[in-house]
Amino acid sequence: GAGVSQSPRYKVAKRGQDVALRCDPISGHVSLFWYQQALGQGPEFLTYFQNEAQLDKSGLPSDRFFAERPEGSVSTLKIQRTQQEDSAVYLCASSLGPGTYEQYFGPGTRLTVT
Amino acid sequence: DQQVKQNSPSLSVQEGRISILNCDYTNSMFDYFLWYKKYPAEGPTFLISISSIKDKNEDGRFTVFLNKSAKHLSLHIVPSQPGDSAVYFCAARAFSGGYNKLIFGAGTRLAVHP
Repeated sequence: GAGVSQSPRYKVAKRGQDVALRCDPISGHVSLFWYQQALGQGPEFLTYFQNEAQLDKSGLPSDRFFAERPEGSVSTLKIQRTQQEDSAVYLCASSLGPGTYEQYFGPGTRLTVT
Repeated sequence: DQQVKQNSPSLSVQEGRISILNCDYTNSMFDYFLWYKKYPAEGPTFLISISSIKDKNEDGRFTVFLNKSAKHLSLHIVPSQPGDSAVYFCAARAFSGGYNKLIFGAGTRLAVHP
C-alpha cells in the first residue's frame, strides 16, 4: 500500500518568502505529526493532529509556523516570512491512532532559505 | 535539554561482525523505545522496539537491549551487512495528553565495509 508522501521534496525560498509543505498520510491513519530535522540532528517534534484537531503545537518554533489538517487527512505546514534558520528537512509521520507508538515517516521536504 | 542521547555520531564495522549502537535517556517516564533506520533522501523507517518492562527484544539479526537502571539501551546487529549502512535513530515514547510523542536522539551513522 501507499506510504506517507510529501511534496515538494525540495524547496528553495528567498528569505522573507512564504512556503507551504504538503503531507499525505497513510489512508485511515488518525494521528499525524510534523517534525523538523536540522543537519546532523534527529527529528524534533513540531505539532500533532488527531484527525482534524491540532492537539499539540508546542514544538512550533514561532508564530510564523502554522499547520492545518482541515479534513483529517492531508496536512499542510506553512512557514511565513522564512528565515535562514528555518532551513531544515521537514518530516511528516502518521500512525493508526493515538495509542500506537509506531510512526510511519514520509521522505521529507528539504527547505533551503537563501 | 536532550532527553535522548546518542553519543557516537558514527561507527564503522566490518561486514560479518557485530554492530553495537548505543543510546542513553534521562526521563524514567519513557515506556517504549524504538530504533529507526534512515537512508539518504528517505524518511526514517521503523526497525525494532522494546517496552520498558522488558530487557531484550530480538528480530532476526537485530536485538535491542534495555538497562533501565542505567537508562541505557543498545541495538545489536549481527552479522552486519553492507546494506545496513545508514543512520540509526534511537527514539523514546512519552505518552502524555492522550497520545504518543517520540523524542529522538541525534543519530549514529553506521558504515559497514567489506
